[in-house]
Amino acid sequence: GAGVSQSPRYKVAKRGQDVALRCDPISGHVSLFWYQQALGQGPEFLTYFQNEAQLDKSGLPSDRFFAERPEGSVSTLKIQRTQQEDSAVYLCASSVRQNYGYTFGSGTRLTVV
Amino acid sequence: AQSVSQHNHHVILSEAASLELGCNYSYGGTVNLFWYVQYPGQHLQLLLKYFSGDPLVKGIKGFEAEFIKSKFSFNLRKPSVQWSDTAEYFCAASPSGGYNKLIFGAGTRLAVHP
Repeated sequence: GAGVSQSPRYKVAKRGQDVALRCDPISGHVSLFWYQQALGQGPEFLTYFQNEAQLDKSGLPSDRFFAERPEGSVSTLKIQRTQQEDSAVYLCASSVRQNYGYTFGSGTRLTVV
Repeated sequence: AQSVSQHNHHVILSEAASLELGCNYSYGGTVNLFWYVQYPGQHLQLLLKYFSGDPLVKGIKGFEAEFIKSKFSFNLRKPSVQWSDTAEYFCAASPSGGYNKLIFGAGTRLAVHP
């Protein structure tokens, strides 16, 4: 597609529920990032993929967060046993190559109740 | 620790006023610098970026930014704002030579009144 597509746009989860957020990057983009944006804050880095390899997961806040990109295209961010503090917008971005500007998706707004 | 600071959280201007949004970064090495804009209901878009060379960078929609290494600053400017510039603006930095792991500031919400 023409841009980075994320689904769902909105997700309401009950505390303790598992959620899966999907990112479809621009076709052919090697680099893929996930960011978390809390209300009133700038985005914070979660994890980075180069093709299917997860090269940096230093930003994942806990072991409840897990990301994958098994075929080097679509990526899924999974959050297990969601907590209220997980409420945020989760942004995905992709780039044609390393050290190049990247394109953001519109994000998934997760609300944990 | 690496960080990016944006001085103003909210800015209100009238159309045709000049704009300057402050951004300072804290990082020990060489950095790439960016300004992103998020219009209401839309995704983050790149306004401009600085990797190296001329420290005065021109971006889209009449925006420019100046990298001042001695001040660790990368302020965003526009000589005359329009109502359509109403948006949230984010400054970001990443270490040079890497994969552009961005560190964002908290953002500045700009409201331009007709």
